[in-house]
Amino acid sequence: GQSLEQPSEVTAVEGAIVQINCTYQTSGFYGLSWYQQHDGGAPTFLSYNALDGLEETGRFSSFLSRSDSYGYLLLQELQMKDSASYFCAVFGNTPLVFGKGTRLSVIA
Amino acid sequence: NAGVTQTPKFRILKIGQSMTLQCAQDMNHNYMYWYRQDPGMGLKLIYYSVGAGITDKGEVPNGYNVSRSTTEDFPLRLELAAPSQTSVYFCASSTGLYSYEQYFGPGTRLTVT
Repeated sequence: GQSLEQPSEVTAVEGAIVQINCTYQTSGFYGLSWYQQHDGGAPTFLSYNALDGLEETGRFSSFLSRSDSYGYLLLQELQMKDSASYFCAVFGNTPLVFGKGTRLSVIA
Repeated sequence: NAGVTQTPKFRILKIGQSMTLQCAQDMNHNYMYWYRQDPGMGLKLIYYSVGAGITDKGEVPNGYNVSRSTTEDFPLRLELAAPSQTSVYFCASSTGLYSYEQYFGPGTRLTVT
């Protein structure tokens, strides 16, 4: 089977940097995706990593280490609007499997 | 493009009632999915489809049925609603079955009492 672990909650200060970790156990692994979901909204795609290393998209970066079955999402210059839930998801030889999500609260 | 649309947005059902959640996409995606999301939890796959006429079970299919007669539409049927089916239901689509990116509809919030 497949399983993903990520912290349930993280709190960070506006303007700071926060890292959300994700560890996974899966077979047929192709890569790791990240999704953002605001309260009452739908999940939206943020980034993905198929290869080891860091991928940067504006204020957001995502990292993958396939040997460690580990990845993280890095959010820089935090803004209040970044308060949301963030889900890691593995893609491979099955449809996407999602973690339970990390609720990020950005405080002033 | 409207993307993925879902109706209704909200619904309250009595135990034992039936209903169909509608989902449509206009991106010509072959792959479509139904998820449920319980409070504070991740998304659990109910059913998915790889094209018109082809569907398969996900992680939590019990109590649900699907059909896919066209590329655009992928309705989810609840036959005998139970309180355990109270959840938010999301429909999604993608270009590939194992795609890293899925496009989600706005969701249907269902309460069974």
